[in-house]
Amino acid sequence: SQQGEEDPQALSIQEGENATMNCSYKTSINNLQWYRQNSGRGLVHLILIRSNEREKHSGRLRVTLDTSKKSSSLLITASRAADTASYFCATDVKGISNDMRFGAGTRLTVKP
Amino acid sequence: ETGVTQTPRHLVMGMTNKKSLKCEQHLGHNAMYWYKQSAKKPLELMFVYNFKEQTENNSVPSRFSPECPNSSHLFLHLHTLQPEDSALYLCASSRSPGLAQTQYFGPGTRLLVL
Repeated sequence: SQQGEEDPQALSIQEGENATMNCSYKTSINNLQWYRQNSGRGLVHLILIRSNEREKHSGRLRVTLDTSKKSSSLLITASRAADTASYFCATDVKGISNDMRFGAGTRLTVKP
Repeated sequence: ETGVTQTPRHLVMGMTNKKSLKCEQHLGHNAMYWYKQSAKKPLELMFVYNFKEQTENNSVPSRFSPECPNSSHLFLHLHTLQPEDSALYLCASSRSPGLAQTQYFGPGTRLLVL
């Protein structure tokens, strides 16, 4: 069953702008991961944030986690056309499952 | 290149056919996964294998039959599929199952059932 839910479903911005995507989940988690998928390809891991962390950076990516609101955000700064892809959050379900559950994703389009 | 390969990349089959999807990982991982990705739906976990043993079957119909002969190879045998089974089938691997593990995905097999 679905655990994470991304918002918005689709986002279109100009190159150079920042893109923010949100993920909400329903139950307690141990960690949350963000993945990226180019059209019709496999997913690529971007970043993992643990439940005791509030913010994490990796290059132009910034991820925040608010466990009290059961939500996370992915910020891509100074976006590029090559960032065009679908972005998914994935969480485990604490105490119930050892496996990750993915949301339906946010489709990001960065226009040159 | 993630170290996980899948063949074939595209497959068209009739409802009476039998075919197999293959996944191979070169990462020394112990856990392998099959996912189904349909248009505009969340990624659905189908099966999980840990050290060749199936640890999860996510209520998948029996027309999908997984096989894991060793920790580097994973197959998905298909028979008497339905048109609604058309989807992108993704294989993934990780060092071990679950918590705090990054999964490495293959490029997927695009399946069309006629």
